[in-house]
Amino acid sequence: GQNIDQPTEMTATEGAIVQINCTYQTSGFNGLFWYQQHAGEAPTFLSYNVLDGLEEKGRFSSFLSRSKGYSYLLLKELQMKDSASYLCAVMDSNYQLIWGAGTKLIIKP
Amino acid sequence: TAGITQAPTSQILAAGRSMTLRCTQDMRHNAMYWYRQDLGLGLRLIHYSNTAGTTGKGEVPDGYSVSRANTDDFPLTLASAVPSQTSVYFCASSGGANTGELFFGEGSRLTVL
Repeated sequence: GQNIDQPTEMTATEGAIVQINCTYQTSGFNGLFWYQQHAGEAPTFLSYNVLDGLEEKGRFSSFLSRSKGYSYLLLKELQMKDSASYLCAVMDSNYQLIWGAGTKLIIKP
Repeated sequence: TAGITQAPTSQILAAGRSMTLRCTQDMRHNAMYWYRQDLGLGLRLIHYSNTAGTTGKGEVPDGYSVSRANTDDFPLTLASAVPSQTSVYFCASSGGANTGELFFGEGSRLTVL
């Protein structure tokens, strides 16, 4: 079966750095996506990785290792507004998105 | 810009009743999707449409139907609601079927009693 694993919840301090991991086992691979979802709101697209390596976008970076079935989302200079759930999703060989359950990130002052 | 609009925002429904969740997008996206989101689970695809006039079944299609008469609208119908269909429903769209960058509506919270 297809599976996406990510931690259920993480806590970090304002101004710090946090890394949210995602491991996956899917039928094929056509890209890995990270989304942010604030409580009670819709998910919004953050990043896309299809090749190994690090993609940087401002305070957020996403890393992919296809051989290890592993990705992480790195958030720097954490702000209170970064408190949200972060969803990892993989596009399989049929171009269907397989979603993880999300990691709830709690930022403390 | 509206983007993608869902209605209603929330609804309480008696078991056995029918319900249509509406979804409209103004981005001229070809692909549209309906997901449900339940606590502790990832988003699960109910139905999708790669282009107007075509639809397909996702991971959890039973009890739901969709239509795609035009590019903009993608309604989701529950013919006879059951309590297990209590969930938050998200409509989404993307520029193409092979694109993983989805644009989501604000969600419809449905409670079936």
